[in-house]
Amino acid sequence: DGGITQSPKYLFRKEGQNVTLSCEQNLNHDAMYWYRQDPGQGLRLIYYSQIVNDFQKGDIAEGYSVSREKKESFPLTVTSAQKNPTAFYLCASSIDSDNEQFFGPGTRLTVL
Amino acid sequence: AQSVTQPDIHITVSEGASLELRCNYSYGATPYLFWYVQSPGQGLQLLLKYFSGDTLVQGIKGFEAEFKRSQSSFNLRKPSVHWSDAAEYFCAVGGAGGYNKLIFGAGTRLAVHP
Repeated sequence: DGGITQSPKYLFRKEGQNVTLSCEQNLNHDAMYWYRQDPGQGLRLIYYSQIVNDFQKGDIAEGYSVSREKKESFPLTVTSAQKNPTAFYLCASSIDSDNEQFFGPGTRLTVL
Repeated sequence: AQSVTQPDIHITVSEGASLELRCNYSYGATPYLFWYVQSPGQGLQLLLKYFSGDTLVQGIKGFEAEFKRSQSSFNLRKPSVHWSDAAEYFCAVGGAGGYNKLIFGAGTRLAVHP
């Protein structure tokens, strides 16, 4: 079945550690996105990539990094520079940036 | 500045009752508007979208929404709510091309009483 997978579903890390969230899609989509969701707030765009080996900062990129070495993979690293990393992280993909985004199930990151 | 406002944080309705979720937007150009639904701990699913044309759009699961340019609104409606509709609903506005750089509202959490 085609879709977007995010792993793990729950992730716990100690303060000061970097952590990488996985996002994989087998939909052959060119564009991929990372969003952060906090209680009482809508989704906020962290990074997006319209094509392999290219990505752009979203609205809240500070403290995060990404790579797009393969079309199907768009991992997000939450660095120790992110002041408040505890949140629900959603990955999405689309055929291109002009088409519907499909969302993965999300990863809940808790920094202790 | 571009923004989306969902005035109601929580709404509770009885099963079988009608539903209207409010959404107001601020956008400098022609807006591309969306409603998404999110079940607890899950990703988002697109309910419906408005790009142009008929201002009343039909979506999945029996939902519809009406675009009113004069009121900068895109309210979501359903004539008869089912218990399975309990979820969080997000309104979003998109930029050029529609889906690029989506801006989301804070969401409305819907509870359904039996």
